Amino acid sequence: DTEVTQTPKHLVMGMTNKKSLKCEQHMGHRAMYWYKQKAKKPPELMFVYSYEKLSINESVPSRFSPECPNSSLLNLHLHALQPEDSALYLCASSQDTGDTDTQYFGPGTRLTVL
Amino acid sequence: AQSVTQLGSHVSVSEGALVLLRCNYSSSVPPYLFWYVQYPNQGLQLLLKYTTGATLVKGINGFEAEFKKSETSFHLTKPSAHMSDAAEYFCAVSTMNTGFQKLVFGTGTRLLVSP
Repeated sequence: DTEVTQTPKHLVMGMTNKKSLKCEQHMGHRAMYWYKQKAKKPPELMFVYSYEKLSINESVPSRFSPECPNSSLLNLHLHALQPEDSALYLCASSQDTGDTDTQYFGPGTRLTVL
Repeated sequence: AQSVTQLGSHVSVSEGALVLLRCNYSSSVPPYLFWYVQYPNQGLQLLLKYTTGATLVKGINGFEAEFKKSETSFHLTKPSAHMSDAAEYFCAVSTMNTGFQKLVFGTGTRLLVSP
């Protein structure tokens, strides 16, 4: 099973709302990633978790708050977002064995901020 | 810093024609290179990757890529395009950031396949 699942598929929220994105994998991978992808652009790395610890934060604004409750689950908590945060949010996972790792991506959550 | 450049934001081919998507890399160390495909409204799927060893890498769906150090290239090819190949293709290079893998993606090439 090489599947990464993400919920919800679509999310519309106002600038004062609080919402969460969820990502799950059951491949036994120890690294999990959040990416942001704007239309017609490549994915941009936001966060990396390794063994449930935050390892990389690519200077992401604090209105995005990641959480890794266990090795299979990754959340992204959203609060006070701006319209420019509207994008496709992709989750990925890998074995965390180094720079030859393959990252497996989920289908993404398309977020619209009104 | 390691980076990749994809030449051509759009490539159009006819069904049955050769597909050639270009990727050039910049790296001071031996690079590890990846090609991912993204179908509309979906996530990214790995097509193939080059780490070490054989420079001609075969991937899924009939795609292959050749690592050419002398040309700093890793172009993606497929002998005969199918309508189902229409998608966005990303070349990426793997870097290590404080001990953790970071993929640096090119800007992407949209492949259009006409009947």
